[in-house]
Amino acid sequence: GIQVEQSPPDLILQEGANSTLRCNFSDSVNNLQWFHQNPWGQLINLFYIPSGTKQNGRLSATTVATERYSLLYISSSQTTDSGVYFCAVEGGTSYGKLTFGQGTILTVHP
Amino acid sequence: DAGITQSPRHKVTETGTPVTLRCHQTENHRYMYWYRQDPGHGLRLIHYSYGVKDTDKGEVSDGYSVSRSKTEDFLLTLESATSSQTSVYFCASSRGQPRTDTQYFGPGTRLTVL
Repeated sequence: GIQVEQSPPDLILQEGANSTLRCNFSDSVNNLQWFHQNPWGQLINLFYIPSGTKQNGRLSATTVATERYSLLYISSSQTTDSGVYFCAVEGGTSYGKLTFGQGTILTVHP
Repeated sequence: DAGITQSPRHKVTETGTPVTLRCHQTENHRYMYWYRQDPGHGLRLIHYSYGVKDTDKGEVSDGYSVSRSKTEDFLLTLESATSSQTSVYFCASSRGQPRTDTQYFGPGTRLTVL
């Protein structure tokens, strides 16, 4: 099945800093989503972005499908941005099934 | 996000007992999914449903069964719980098929099998 690798595994920031999270995948994708899992465990949709660029407030994402990666940008980070960020993809031979990466653990200090 | 609830939110049970987790969505989504989340493994798909009474296996389906008798409800059953099934279970749903539509997740159920 399709492989998903996220980097970095851990990221520690001071409030106000910017960051870039990366998701690499091993095959062509039809679906790519970014999620934020908050400290209470809730998985929150950030973007549905199999290709192109989207922005939502301080967050933006870009997927370059031909080169098999996606980037999530967080600008002016806040403590509420802390949590785990997951990339999930559907594609290749994994028909109909979202495959999740291992996640990036983000900690934002005040 | 979609209105998805899970019950119970927490459960402790003993090895060998049957357990049923319930997922309920109010969005009239056709597709529903069960995942488990474990340290070091991320989220993995257990089973999914593409309509009432239509279900299929995911990558970690052994020891689990599902049923979907109504659009809004998707049940996950552990016939005889084992300690390896201690995990956090998430339900998700989507309006369209997984290839092309966003999946929305419920709040999760923390299951401990002693």
